[in-house]
Amino acid sequence: EAGVAQSPRYKIIEKRQSVAFWCNPISGHATLYWYQQILGQGPKLLIQFQNNGVVDDSQLPKDRFSAERLKGVDSTLKIQPAKLEDSAVYLCASSLTKTQYFGPGTRLLVL
Amino acid sequence: GDSVTQMEGPVTLSEEAFLTINCTYTATGYPSLFWYVQYPGEGLQLLLKATKADDKGSNKGFEATYRKETTSFHLEKGSVQVSDSAVYFCALSDQGEGAQKLVFGQGTRLTINP
Repeated sequence: EAGVAQSPRYKIIEKRQSVAFWCNPISGHATLYWYQQILGQGPKLLIQFQNNGVVDDSQLPKDRFSAERLKGVDSTLKIQPAKLEDSAVYLCASSLTKTQYFGPGTRLLVL
Repeated sequence: GDSVTQMEGPVTLSEEAFLTINCTYTATGYPSLFWYVQYPGEGLQLLLKATKADDKGSNKGFEATYRKETTSFHLEKGSVQVSDSAVYFCALSDQGEGAQKLVFGQGTRLTINP
């Protein structure tokens, strides 16, 4: 069974630029999550989708972050414009029930 | 809100030593509890889980018991190996039907020396 796929694996941008990350969950998993993991900290949920609907986006900085899952399968997370403090690993996870399976993450460096 | 606190790292042990990584939580109700592991250069992997009080999760020689009275879920292994070097995260998810978000501790970096 294929795991959660993410791309790109690494991205370096300058502050105020835009960036987008892509995630393809495990086939059949209705729930998809985006987490932000700042160096030295545990992951923090940004947004949770159930199929193509948003379940929880309470910790998403909506002035600069957006996410969509239009067809209820893959998802895109965008940052526009990026700030220095957005440097982190962005993790995508999917689940069928309570156990979440994580992708390898996208490491973002904002200069 | 819900929170998870792990013992401060990094932790350095010799091969075959006994390992304990402490984890305590604050939550309303009875959450499910998890340990995830992140090996160098890899993504988070589920190590073990427990869904109700007194449950013991186990995998790859690691164990953790859900202790409601002390709100703890400490990770233990009797004899660690160099290959266990990784970052370990304790996490919880709220009770309730279906998928719930995970709340993570800050992680504990473990290094095992030969």
